[in-house]
Amino acid sequence: AQRVTQPEKLLSVFKGAPVELKCNYSYSGSPELFWYVQYSRQRLQLLLRHISRESIKGFTADLNKGETSFHLKKPFAQEEDSAMYYCAHRGQLTFGSGTQLTVLP
Amino acid sequence: GAGVSQSPSNKVTEKGKDVELRCDPISGHTALYWYRQSLGQGLEFLIYFQGNSAPDKSGLPSDRFSAERTGGSVSTLTIQRTQQEDSAVYLCASSADRGVNNEQFFGPGTRLTVL
Repeated sequence: AQRVTQPEKLLSVFKGAPVELKCNYSYSGSPELFWYVQYSRQRLQLLLRHISRESIKGFTADLNKGETSFHLKKPFAQEEDSAMYYCAHRGQLTFGSGTQLTVLP
Repeated sequence: GAGVSQSPSNKVTEKGKDVELRCDPISGHTALYWYRQSLGQGLEFLIYFQGNSAPDKSGLPSDRFSAERTGGSVSTLTIQRTQQEDSAVYLCASSADRGVNNEQFFGPGTRLTVL
């Protein structure tokens, strides 16, 4: 079965520090992975997708097929990055359980 | 233009009652999804509609759950004989298609509380 795993429910970093939100997947075919973000009192929205190889709000995510990972990274976290982050696989858009990121001042 | 809308925003019901949740997708979007967001559980896929095709109901947790999409637009999620474990935020999303690069646009959700 398709599965997306986010091992960290909570993650806190200080402003300006690097941040990495982990995501591992299990899928037998070609993975199609996304990161979605939900800021406080806002709707869930797409952050980035692996196929676009894009950087959004300073975040990047590289697909590592060998490690079956799609970790989300940002070199210098900002307070406005505090949010719930979900890794998702296309299929039926299987979501991980989410990581609540808090960036401390 | 208007995004995905859902109604009601909050629903409190008694155990055993039926509830209907409504989703208005973005105009022209052919794909519509329902998810359930429970505390500590992440998002759970429930059902998916694509155009006139038969819906993918593989995520519905029990036969108490059903959904319809009339005219390829508005969708209603119905939960019969609600149970306390049905309490969650129910999210609807739509996308232009189900292509590789599709982006799902989410509604604000309906918070369901079953007493």
